[in-house]
Amino acid sequence: GENVEQHPSTLSVQEGDSAVIKCTYSDSASNYFPWYKQELGKRPQLIIDIRSNVGEKKDQRIAVTLNKTAKHFSLHITETQPEDSAVYFCAASTGSARQLTFGSGTQLTVLP
Amino acid sequence: NAGVTQTPKFQVLKTGQSMTLQCAQDMNHNSMYWYRQDPGMGLRLIYYSASEGTTDKGEVPNGYNVSRLNKREFSLRLESAAPSQTSVYFCATRDLINIQYFGAGTRLSVL
Repeated sequence: GENVEQHPSTLSVQEGDSAVIKCTYSDSASNYFPWYKQELGKRPQLIIDIRSNVGEKKDQRIAVTLNKTAKHFSLHITETQPEDSAVYFCAASTGSARQLTFGSGTQLTVLP
Repeated sequence: NAGVTQTPKFQVLKTGQSMTLQCAQDMNHNSMYWYRQDPGMGLRLIYYSASEGTTDKGEVPNGYNVSRLNKREFSLRLESAAPSQTSVYFCATRDLINIQYFGAGTRLSVL
């Protein structure tokens, strides 16, 4: 089955700096890669996603890049703000029912 | 529209007790999923249902059963709860472009 590895597990940045979270996947058949943000005690919320026919996607301060050859994808957050503090999960979608395999999460802390 | 609704929000069980976690959606999606979330381990797929009348095992199905009652409802049952099943359980649905939408979760403690 699919295996998704996510690094780092914790990340602290100063407000205004950039944050980068990286994920690798194992199944070359995976073709959809979402990123979810989860605040404490809340449900995961989709923040951005990328499909395998695209190398990069940007939405305001958030961008995701995908390297299919190397089987890795990354989340980039620029001009970080305290409200960006949360746990971020990457995932890869595969299988006939397009089930998601999640990474283990990154606790991002933005220091004021 | 409520989206994905899970009940109950919290539950405490004793070892060996049974319970059913309920999930209902009003998004008219065919596919539904049950995940569990444990600290430091992300979300792991327990069972899924690609469409009404079908269910399949995910990564961690042992100790659980599911029922896809109709298109709207997908329930998860613990027949004999164990402390290892203490977790937060999330139900999700998937739309036609593969985006998954999550319910608010059920926090389960098994003593």
